[in-house]
Amino acid sequence: AQKITQTQPGMFVQEKEAVTLDCTYDTSDQSYGLFWYKQPSSGEMIFLIYQGSYDEQNATEGRYSLNFQKARKSANLVISASQLGDSAMYFCAMREDSNYQLIWGAGTKLIIKP
Amino acid sequence: KAGVTQTPRYLIKTRGQQVTLSCSPISGHRSVSWYQQTPGQGLQFLFEYFSETQRNKGNFPGRFSGRQFSNSRSEMNVSTLELGDSALYLCASSTDGRWTYEQYFGPGTRLTVT
Repeated sequence: AQKITQTQPGMFVQEKEAVTLDCTYDTSDQSYGLFWYKQPSSGEMIFLIYQGSYDEQNATEGRYSLNFQKARKSANLVISASQLGDSAMYFCAMREDSNYQLIWGAGTKLIIKP
Repeated sequence: KAGVTQTPRYLIKTRGQQVTLSCSPISGHRSVSWYQQTPGQGLQFLFEYFSETQRNKGNFPGRFSGRQFSNSRSEMNVSTLELGDSALYLCASSTDGRWTYEQYFGPGTRLTVT
């Protein structure tokens, strides 16, 4: 069964608008972590933001925030005031405390239009 | 501090050959994880090494192997290459690997098997 689901294969967003990238997950672990990574066309994976399952506050890192809804098992990434440089693939990933590996979603290709 | 480096960046091999990829982690990082990224399967965890020991392994055939040296540098080897092994191979390093929000990725090695 899919553990990480990203339902938006691609998105077009106007520059300076906010964008929400969806991510739902499935786990029976009580303790886990959720991550968002950005992958530009160069290929390097860039860490954006992390949310622990026991964190009560939604994580924020600059223009990035994570809308964590534990009961719904969703961890959506919100990018405020999008920039042209935000165009990239975005991956949601999960690490269950029962193992050390990251489980990845299929990704969302985000294109920012000028 | 220098980032994660991977060599070579690009590689073309023939079916049946073997290949060795190298990853040098960030100084002080003792955990190295390897991932395979393909258009069809997305990102998949290969294995993780910590202090020269394989600590976790994904669901890949035995043709995929790895090792870690005392200076934390890691190599992965793929024997008897198949066309389906064509992929971007990413390595990531972290201080101890337990909390992978500290994972830093290298630029990847793009392997093409013909």
